[in-house]
Amino acid sequence: EVQLVESGGGLVQPGGSLRLSCAASGFTFSSYEMNWVRQAPGKGLEWVSYISSSSSTIYYADSVKGRFTISRDNAKNSLYLQMNTLRVEDTAVYYCALLRFDYWGQGTLLTVSS
Amino acid sequence: DIQMTQSPSSLSASVGDRVTITCRASQGIRNDLCWYQQKPGKAPKRLIYDASSLQSGVPSRFSGSGSGTEFTLTISSLQPEDFATYYCLQHNTYWTFGQGTKVEIK
Repeated sequence: EVQLVESGGGLVQPGGSLRLSCAASGFTFSSYEMNWVRQAPGKGLEWVSYISSSSSTIYYADSVKGRFTISRDNAKNSLYLQMNTLRVEDTAVYYCALLRFDYWGQGTLLTVSS
Repeated sequence: DIQMTQSPSSLSASVGDRVTITCRASQGIRNDLCWYQQKPGKAPKRLIYDASSLQSGVPSRFSGSGSGTEFTLTISSLQPEDFATYYCLQHNTYWTFGQGTKVEIK
């Protein structure tokens, strides 16, 4: 059974940093690209970042470029999102997803507030 | 960047109604479009991929059409479990979601 389990969310002050993790199981994680998608409370879905299977190709949404860093550790079957200089508008549920096969985690909530 | 304009933003319908949701891309995206259903507190679930291919396990009352810049999701006969929010997603150039359509009970 495919599982994607996000962790690391929480309450952070504006300007702060946090790292999200996504633990993958049930498929050959190292073979597939991964994405982060977020959803602000009561709002729509927003694509955040993409990383290829080998980490050779990385993309970011303009809203997070220069502040967020996506990475992965294929030996640990894990995906990460390092988030710096956080803003109130980054408050959202963050999902890791393998969009090609429609695999999604349950999401982890980040709240940026003073 | 490619923008996706989804309409309507919400609609009220009755069980048995035919429902149509539209997404318009700011530039041609071939058929690189998916449709998702999301219920409160849950991750999205893909219904349609490649604009018109039905995801395995999804009821046949859901269908997608379109290519280039105009796309449509149709629910032929709305069922109680279909009340949810629907999103399109283009993956031709990066990824862009539509703003969502909330389907509510009339």
